[in-house]
Amino acid sequence: NAGVTQTPKFQVLKTGQSMTLQCAQDMNHNSMYWYRQDPGMGLRLIYYSASEGTTDKGEVPNGYNVSRLNKREFSLRLESAAPSQTSVYFCASSEMNRGEQFFGPGTRLTVL
Amino acid sequence: QKEVEQNSGPLSVPEGAIASLNCTYSDRGSQSFFWYRQYSGKSPELIMSIYSNGDKEDGRFTAQLNKASQYVSLLIRDSQPSDSATYLCAVNMRANSGYALNFGKGTSLLVTP
Repeated sequence: NAGVTQTPKFQVLKTGQSMTLQCAQDMNHNSMYWYRQDPGMGLRLIYYSASEGTTDKGEVPNGYNVSRLNKREFSLRLESAAPSQTSVYFCASSEMNRGEQFFGPGTRLTVL
Repeated sequence: QKEVEQNSGPLSVPEGAIASLNCTYSDRGSQSFFWYRQYSGKSPELIMSIYSNGDKEDGRFTAQLNKASQYVSLLIRDSQPSDSATYLCAVNMRANSGYALNFGKGTSLLVTP
């Protein structure tokens, strides 16, 4: 099992460009999550999907959209990137919404 | 505002000693509590989960939960230099639809040989 995979590992964007971060899990988990991690701020939830077909906002959703494509895949889209979105992005999944979450390796994004 | 608080550290302990990491949380309704370890440049790795009051032991790690005091701790016995990392406390709290993990900002642990 690969667990949780994320693509790409690194990305540099210019202000105003768009991109989609991809996440997939092979653990048959129901719930998936997107976080960002910034120095001094800790991990903050952007969006989550408690089950296939549902998505909801977390603590810092502005500037992002998500799609739960199917049970395995949960993508995060930046429509018009801003320097404030420079961060490390982690995807995670859990069997049940209240349960243990397992993280992917992360995407390091720089917006110039 | 639902909060999870940790001392940022760094907490420095000699090799072989016990490291004690502490966490407090604000939401009395929380039911699930987790400790993650994060090495520099890597993703968080789950090391302990605890759901009921008392102690839970797994190898050199012991998690302690006191819901009345809204307090979670992690003890690492026989600390090794390889335990040097940032330890994140996470608490499951009610969110818009379902539950979401709230993370503390982490405690940096340094184990010196």
